[in-house]
Amino acid sequence: QSALTQPASVSGSPGQSITISCTGTSSDVGDYNYVSWYQQHPGKAPKLIIYDVTNRPSGVSNRFSGSKSGNTASLTISGLQPVDEADYYCTSYTGSSTLDYVFGTGTKVTVL
Amino acid sequence: QVTLRESGPALVKPTQTLTLTCTVSGFSLSTSGMCVSWIRQPPGKALEWLALIDWDDDEYYSTSLKTRLTISKDTSKNQVVLRMTNMDPVDTATYYCARKMTAVGTGFDYWGQGTLVTVSS
Repeated sequence: QSALTQPASVSGSPGQSITISCTGTSSDVGDYNYVSWYQQHPGKAPKLIIYDVTNRPSGVSNRFSGSKSGNTASLTISGLQPVDEADYYCTSYTGSSTLDYVFGTGTKVTVL
Repeated sequence: QVTLRESGPALVKPTQTLTLTCTVSGFSLSTSGMCVSWIRQPPGKALEWLALIDWDDDEYYSTSLKTRLTISKDTSKNQVVLRMTNMDPVDTATYYCARKMTAVGTGFDYWGQGTLVTVSS
């Protein structure tokens, strides 16, 4: 199972909006609405920020939003803040023959 | 308060078997739908899903690693155990356990702090 493809880095100025893409195939992202996104600060465990493509867990800022079109899912961060500087990973369920999950390659977000 | 804590050896030799334990609190491993997964992250690299066990003891494994992995749980001890055989230096990584409310969907909502395992002779 190949990793989902994310841009290596995305940057933006405070207050701006940025979008991170996560491209998979018709066997994972394209076939299931089970994409989730994680934020990871250096030396810390990942934190769930979006699940099932568009849903935010309780306590996660509404500046984070998710969407999907075809084989590509996207995470948008609006009103970018310095605290958003972190690595972001997507993951998708892929159940072609058995339950399996595939993570993205990761994106480093830099706040300029 | 939901917590997960990984424990195990920090250093293993090549060809050895790694055994990691995830001790959970704040929820029950026997609650319908509840799952725990193991996920790893080599230094400076991306996350990789390894295995999942659900409340009913169904086990699921990464297609690429399934011949080397065994996941199990002891509900009475609130523990999930991962065994990985034939360790190699490329298996050097931080190993996380994470909770999922259902096997499919919902995301990994709580994570342990991770435990770094180095494979070296």
